Amino acid sequence: GQSLEQPSEVTAVEGAIVQINCTYQTSGFYGLSWYQQHDGGAPTFLSYNALDGLEETGRFSSFLSRSDSYGYLLLQELQMKDSASYFCAVREGKDNQGGKLIFGQGTELSVKP
Amino acid sequence: EPEVTQTPSHQVTQMGQEVILRCVPISNHLYFYWYRQILGQKVEFLVSFYNNEISEKSEIFDDQFSVERPDGSNFTLKIRSTKLEDSAMYFCASSGGTSGTISTDTQYFGPGTRLTVL
Repeated sequence: GQSLEQPSEVTAVEGAIVQINCTYQTSGFYGLSWYQQHDGGAPTFLSYNALDGLEETGRFSSFLSRSDSYGYLLLQELQMKDSASYFCAVREGKDNQGGKLIFGQGTELSVKP
Repeated sequence: EPEVTQTPSHQVTQMGQEVILRCVPISNHLYFYWYRQILGQKVEFLVSFYNNEISEKSEIFDDQFSVERPDGSNFTLKIRSTKLEDSAMYFCASSGGTSGTISTDTQYFGPGTRLTVL
């Protein structure tokens, strides 16, 4: 079957660093994406890893280990506006293009002053 | 910056009625998707569409659902006879598809249509 596991909630203070882990078990794998969602709004793309290693985009970084079926999203210098739900999502497909996203349950991040 | 748009933002309907949710994907994108999110739950894949046909659908996407690209810009999801359990946020997404060995093929999501079935 297909499953993605991530913590249901994380709390941190402004300025801190937080890591949100994701483990996955899917039938196909073309990459791991991370999306941010504020209050049921549109999922907003943050980062994508197709290969092992770390991808850095400003305050956000994402890591993937395909052999461990594991990835994480690292948020640095936390700001109040980072309070949101964060979803990991595996891209599955028949080839290298298109392909559906299989989402995890989401991690609710609360940033405290 | 190009974005996916969806209308209406909120649709209220009676059980058994038909609804059509509309989406305008990003103009040069080739792949289109519908997802849904029941309140408090994860986002779930419904269907993907490429080259004017369904490329994949989930078990949720049964005979009451259909998709169409009636013209060069719109992408619609029709629910023929709505049920209470169809109440959810419905997101449209699109992606460009890329050539090359490593494809990010990022999916960009619209703001969603909140469907309430009474």
